Amino acid sequence: EAGVAQSPRYKIIEKRQSVAFWCNPISGHATLYWYQQILGQGPKLLIQFQNNGVVDDSQLPKDRFSAERLKGVDSTLKIQPAKLEDSAVYLCASSSPRGGTGELFFGEGSRLTVL
Amino acid sequence: AQKITQTQPGMFVQEKEAVTLDCTYDTSDPSYGLFWYKQPSSGEMIFLIYQGSYDQQNATEGRYSLNFQKARKSANLVISASQLGDSAMYFCAMREVNDMRFGAGTRLTVKP
Repeated sequence: EAGVAQSPRYKIIEKRQSVAFWCNPISGHATLYWYQQILGQGPKLLIQFQNNGVVDDSQLPKDRFSAERLKGVDSTLKIQPAKLEDSAVYLCASSSPRGGTGELFFGEGSRLTVL
Repeated sequence: AQKITQTQPGMFVQEKEAVTLDCTYDTSDPSYGLFWYKQPSSGEMIFLIYQGSYDQQNATEGRYSLNFQKARKSANLVISASQLGDSAMYFCAMREVNDMRFGAGTRLTVKP
């Protein structure tokens, strides 16, 4: 079974530029999460999708961050314009509500450096 | 308000000894799940163990066990017989409905 795929793995941009991250969850997983992990901190939930609907985006800085999950499969997270404090690893995760523990399966992350 | 609290930024343990990583949580929902994840220096998040709020027994997975004290709202991770490869960041997380939040983490270093 293929895991959660993310790209790009690394991105370096200047402040005020824009960037987009892509995530393809595990096949059949209805729930998709984007987390921001700043160095030395725990992952912070940015947005959660159930199929193609938003469940929770209360911690998403909506003036600069946007995310979509068209067709309820893959998702993109965009930052425009980027600030220095957006430097972090952006983790995508997915889970299946059907049975099991409901644990999250994570991708390898996309590391963003804003100069 | 912080929902997941990990009070130990860093811990050291001697190889082959046991270590306990602390986690307390806050919720008013009777149904929730508690998770522990390991994050090595390579960055991937590895699921270790799960405890449901209605589970009567403490969860165990190999060398990992979860000391669940519901009344105290604590869910400490116990790693027995520590190995050098256990050196990593450890995160406690709680799921309420579908929402999953993480603590700040504890960096564990295993000494040879």
